[in-house]
Amino acid sequence: DIQVTQSPSFLSASVGDTVTITCRASQGIYTYLAWYQQKPGNAPKLLIYAASALQSGVPSRFSGSASGTEFTLTISSLQPEDFATYYCQQLNTYPLTFGGGTKVEVK
Amino acid sequence: DVQLVESGGSLVQPGGSLRLSCVGSGFMFSDYYMEWVRQGPGKGLEWVGRSKNKRYSPPTEYAASVKGRFTISRDDSKNSLYLQMTSLKTDDTAVYFCARSRGSYYGFDIWGQGTLVTVSS
Repeated sequence: DIQVTQSPSFLSASVGDTVTITCRASQGIYTYLAWYQQKPGNAPKLLIYAASALQSGVPSRFSGSASGTEFTLTISSLQPEDFATYYCQQLNTYPLTFGGGTKVEVK
Repeated sequence: DVQLVESGGSLVQPGGSLRLSCVGSGFMFSDYYMEWVRQGPGKGLEWVGRSKNKRYSPPTEYAASVKGRFTISRDDSKNSLYLQMTSLKTDDTAVYFCARSRGSYYGFDIWGQGTLVTVSS
């Protein structure tokens, strides 16, 4: 199975900060990687697909990038509604696997 | 509106069975892959399995943790996805989400609200 290692697990930040979350895949997955945001009690929401494509309706302060097996989600100018847990997911190989999640908390 | 609604979650004893349903609306259900994802209490997301649209074979894929115990099926005439769960274990306790996908490249773009399955004696 392809392991997806997400870091950090927790991140404290303030409104206006730029935050970066990283996922590293144990094998090459091309750009078959997605990012999701989940708030307590809610279903996940797709933010980024194909490593860097912004899902329709998602604010442009969210961006994704890829370099080999390392993938990055960047949130520029963090907004109050962005405090949540973020997950990456590899979709290249079965079983599809999620990273462990990053909880972005208020500093 | 594009929507997915799950149902069927409940309390079940270890070793028991349960069937979850997911009904889609507002889109051409038969065109899409449909997914099951679960989330244990206080835990992260775990992909359970996939139902591909009819153009693809094999029609389903499963996570190792559920293969042989869970069966995914769909009825496109009813815009419905199903998850038949047997030999349930306490570790299967989770909120089960269904989700829609245009294919692996595109991620899971629409999710239901989830249905809670509790496996306990």
